Amino acid sequence: GDSVTQMEGPVTLSEEAFLTINCTYTATGYPSLFWYVQYPGEGLQLLLKATKADDKGSNKGFEATYRKETTSFHLEKGSVQVSDSAVYFCALNPGGSYIPTFGRGTSLIVHP
Amino acid sequence: DTAVSQTPKYLVTQMGNDKSIKCEQNLGHDTMYWYKQDSKKFLKIMFSYNNKELIINETVPNRFSPKSPDKAHLNLHINSLELGDSAVYFCASSQVAGDNGETQYFGPGTRLLVL
Repeated sequence: GDSVTQMEGPVTLSEEAFLTINCTYTATGYPSLFWYVQYPGEGLQLLLKATKADDKGSNKGFEATYRKETTSFHLEKGSVQVSDSAVYFCALNPGGSYIPTFGRGTSLIVHP
Repeated sequence: DTAVSQTPKYLVTQMGNDKSIKCEQNLGHDTMYWYKQDSKKFLKIMFSYNNKELIINETVPNRFSPKSPDKAHLNLHINSLELGDSAVYFCASSQVAGDNGETQYFGPGTRLLVL
């Protein structure tokens, strides 16, 4: 079946550091890929998405590129802020099926 | 206006009780979902309804019963609560089930603690 693998956290960084959170997937067909963010005490919200190979999703300084050849969708940000501290979920929505699949989440802690 | 709302936000109850969680979305979406998030933040889909019809029913004990009175509402009833049911339950909605580009919109969660 479909699966999403994310790097385990927590990832701990100082403010203004570069962030990478790795995400790889396995799926049949051509899924869309998503990053969701969950701030403490809240529900998940969409951060960015890409619907086909080589698409780049971007939002709030975060970026991720849909790489079909490496089945990856790594999340990057050039300079993190304390307010980016949250749990980040990589997810896929497969074509032709109804069941979205989420990774286990990666906690990011940014220190001033 | 809140897009996806859930009630209650917190629920503390004794083992063996029956409880319900309610969800409403005002986005006009066709599809709604229930997820369970455990203490390690792992998110597991439980159910999904499309236009009031059950389309996803993952391996969930039959003590859990979803009900969708209309496409804007999806409720979750839990019978004979067990300690392992303690978790955060999220409702979500999206525009079209099976459209793989569609974003899911999540509610704020219901924090269930079974004592």
